[in-house]
Amino acid sequence: EAQVTQNPRYLITVTGKKLTVTCSQNMNHEYMSWYRQDPGLGLRQIYYSMNVEVTDKGDVPEGYKVSRKEKRNFPLILESPSPNQTSLYFCASSLSQRAGGKDTQYFGPGTRLTVL
Amino acid sequence: AQKVTQAQTEISVVEKEDVTLDCVYETRDTTYYLFWYKQPPSGELVFLIRRNSFDEQNEISGRYSWNFQKSTSSFNFTITASQVVDSAVYFCALSERNSGYSTLTFGKGTMLLVSP
Repeated sequence: EAQVTQNPRYLITVTGKKLTVTCSQNMNHEYMSWYRQDPGLGLRQIYYSMNVEVTDKGDVPEGYKVSRKEKRNFPLILESPSPNQTSLYFCASSLSQRAGGKDTQYFGPGTRLTVL
Repeated sequence: AQKVTQAQTEISVVEKEDVTLDCVYETRDTTYYLFWYKQPPSGELVFLIRRNSFDEQNEISGRYSWNFQKSTSSFNFTITASQVVDSAVYFCALSERNSGYSTLTFGKGTMLLVSP
């Protein structure tokens, strides 16, 4: 089954404790992206990756890191989480984003993160 | 700059009523793509439809229909004979080319509550 998977689905942690949220897709997609969803603010892009070893900042990159060493995986790293990073996080992938945006982004199930 | 406005924050209807969710967008591009996603209470984001800027033909899929009007920069979504299972947050999104790649911008969503 074609899908985007994220782990963990739920995470409660404390301020300053490094964590990684994994994202994997099995569709051979070039493009992957991370979003956060907050009440009243909708979905905002954190980082994206056009292909392996190519990553760039989205609208709200502060406090996050990413890497793209393999095509299928795009982990999101919070080196020193803070309470304002409490949010619902989504990973997404699409075939490409070079074709003028025509390729649909498919989303993972979401990771609900709480930072105390 | 691109912008997507979903002016209706929340809509409540009774089962079997028809309901229209509004989406107004702003873009300077002549080539762009519009999307609708559904987020049920379980939290995942489900792709519903993609429409390109050159195709103004309305689309119908079962009880769902979409009305794209370039003249008013709108891409409205109608659910006919709504059902309780339609209760969800619905997001409209715009993708346009940006320096050789594309970004996806979401509206803030409309929460639809369908009561029995």
